Amino acid sequence: SQKIEQNSEALNIQEGKTATLTCNYTNYSPAYLQWYRQDPGRGPVFLLLIRENEKEKRKERLKVTFDTTLKQSLFHITASQPADSATYLCALGAVDSNYQLIWGAGTKLIIKP
Amino acid sequence: GAVVSQHPSRVICKSGTSVKIECRSLDFQATTMFWYRQFPKQSLMLMATSNEGSKATYEQGVEKDKFLINHASLTLSTLTVTSAHPEDSSFYICSVHPGGTMEQFFGPGTRLTVL
Repeated sequence: SQKIEQNSEALNIQEGKTATLTCNYTNYSPAYLQWYRQDPGRGPVFLLLIRENEKEKRKERLKVTFDTTLKQSLFHITASQPADSATYLCALGAVDSNYQLIWGAGTKLIIKP
Repeated sequence: GAVVSQHPSRVICKSGTSVKIECRSLDFQATTMFWYRQFPKQSLMLMATSNEGSKATYEQGVEKDKFLINHASLTLSTLTVTSAHPEDSSFYICSVHPGGTMEQFFGPGTRLTVL
């Protein structure tokens, strides 16, 4: 069955450093991959989308890579700030999925001042 | 991005009662809305796809008679948890999918606690 793995342990990063989160998947060939941010008790907020034919996408301090051979996406936050502390979810989508997404459980990121 | 609201944000009810959760798309007409539930430290689980003017499509294992979905207008979908039990306690979130894009925009969620 389709499976998405994100590091279940919280990631602690010192403020100013680059935080890197990993999303691995199996038994799936997504057409695109998305990253969302979720704060406690809130709904997820869309951050970035990367398609299967794209290697890298950037948005301000965020960078996403997508390696369909390794079946992995990396999500980077450069110059991290305490306000970046949240849970980050990756989600996969297929062209014929009626825009439904398959979700990872998320990784909690803690940026320490 | 789209703005989505949910009401109520939090509800506590007794076992056996029914609870209605509203999801509103505030700034565009949503033909498709998704309903999710999320348990602590777990991924979002898609419950159903709500289609305006037609029956919702439920995911495998989700009881359609227990989780009633009504998408009567392009801006409103409702989820009714009928005869709620403590195991239905969860965080329920809706999302909308604007046409022409692949991202989803989420409501703030509803925390349901069934005593």
